[in-house]
Amino acid sequence: AQSVTQPDIHITVSEGASLELRCNYSYGATPYLFWYVQSPGQGLQLLLKYFSGDTLVQGIKGFEAEFKRSQSSFNLRKPSVHWSDAAEYFCAVAPQGGKLIFGQGTELSVKP
Amino acid sequence: DVKVTQSSRYLVKRTGEKVFLECVQDMDHENMFWYRQDPGLGLRLIYFSYDVKMKEKGDIPEGYSVSREKKERFSLILESASTNQTSMYLCASTENSPLHFGNGTRLTVT
Repeated sequence: AQSVTQPDIHITVSEGASLELRCNYSYGATPYLFWYVQSPGQGLQLLLKYFSGDTLVQGIKGFEAEFKRSQSSFNLRKPSVHWSDAAEYFCAVAPQGGKLIFGQGTELSVKP
Repeated sequence: DVKVTQSSRYLVKRTGEKVFLECVQDMDHENMFWYRQDPGLGLRLIYFSYDVKMKEKGDIPEGYSVSREKKERFSLILESASTNQTSMYLCASTENSPLHFGNGTRLTVT
C-alpha cells in the first residue's frame, strides 16, 4: 500500500539556521509530490509540488524540495529559517491521478 | 485565488446529535474532499466527491455521510455524533492538483 513517512514529529531550529524536513514515500512509480504548511488555526497552504522534470523545485516563502528517486524521498529545505516559519508541515503524495496521501506531519519550532 | 470556505471555525455538540459541516468553494472545481486531522495521524480522508451527487468513501468513512447537491457545496454529516469524532475537519477542492483547503472546523463532541 502507498504510504508517506515523516520521521520527525517535532523539530526545533534557531532563527537563521538552515532547515531540512524529511519525507519518504512508498509507491511503485513516481507519484505527484507536495509539501503543505499549516499555521496555527489555519487550513493547509501549498508550499510546492513536483510532477516531473527538474528534481529540485522551488516553492513559496523561500522553500525548496528535492526529489530523489533512488531514496524515494522528497525533503523540504530552507537555507535560513524565520520565526514566522514556525508551523506544521505536511508531505503528501498522490499516485498519478489518485487520491492524496498525507504524512503524519512535522511540527517546526523556531528559537529566537 | 481559490477560496474554500468552511462555515464554522468552532463547533461544540453533544453526543448523539446530528451535525452538519458545510464547505463552499468558488472556483467551479469538480472534486471536493473532507479530511479529519488528529495529532500524530496527519490528515485522513473521510469522503470525496468528483461530481454533483457523486460520492466516494475515503479511508475512514464510518460514522459519516456526505451530500453534494450543488457543485460548489460539499457537506459532511455526522448522523449521531460521538466523542471519538472530536477533531479538526478540513475541506478541500481541486480541479486537478493541488488541493486547496479551507481553514478548518474544530469540532468538540461532549
